[in-house]
Amino acid sequence: GDSVTQMEGPVTLSEEAFLTINCTYTATGYPSLFWYVQYPGEGLQLLLKATKADDKGSNKGFEATYRKETTSFHLEKGSVQVSDSAVYFCALSHNTDKLIFGTGTRLQVFP
Amino acid sequence: GAVVSQHPSRVICKSGTSVKIECRSLDFQATTMFWYRQFPKQSLMLMATSNEGSKATYEQGVEKDKFLINHASLTLSTLTVTSAHPEDSSFYICSARTGGLHEQFFGPGTRLTVL
Repeated sequence: GDSVTQMEGPVTLSEEAFLTINCTYTATGYPSLFWYVQYPGEGLQLLLKATKADDKGSNKGFEATYRKETTSFHLEKGSVQVSDSAVYFCALSHNTDKLIFGTGTRLQVFP
Repeated sequence: GAVVSQHPSRVICKSGTSVKIECRSLDFQATTMFWYRQFPKQSLMLMATSNEGSKATYEQGVEKDKFLINHASLTLSTLTVTSAHPEDSSFYICSARTGGLHEQFFGPGTRLTVL
């Protein structure tokens, strides 16, 4: 069945460092891909998404490109801030209601 | 933005008792609500999908008689864990979406501990 694999955390970075969180997926067809973020004490929020191959989703300085050839959707940010500290979830969906999530990666950014 | 709340945020109960968790959409009408479960260091797993006024659709392996879902209004869904046991201890998360939109809006989750 479909699945999403994320790098294990926590990822610990200093402020202004470059961030990459790896995400790969296994799926039939052409799913939509998502990154969700969960700040402490809050619900998951959609960070960005891409619906077809080579699409780039971007929001709040974060980017991820839908790579069909490598079945990946890695999350990147050029310069992280302390306020980016959160748990990040990669997910896929076949345009139905069912979201399939990865295990989440905790990011800790220190000043 | 769309806000979804859950109540309670934490609950501790004795084995054999039932626990009800509420999920509310605060500023929109949720035609569809979803219930997820998350074990430590594991991904969110969809338990069931409920549409307002109809029976919930449960994912394979989820006991519908144990996890009772009611979606009686466009702003409220409840999950009742019946005869809870320690293995039911987990983090339960709901989400909601309104008709015509695929984006789900998530609640902050409820941590259930069964002693």
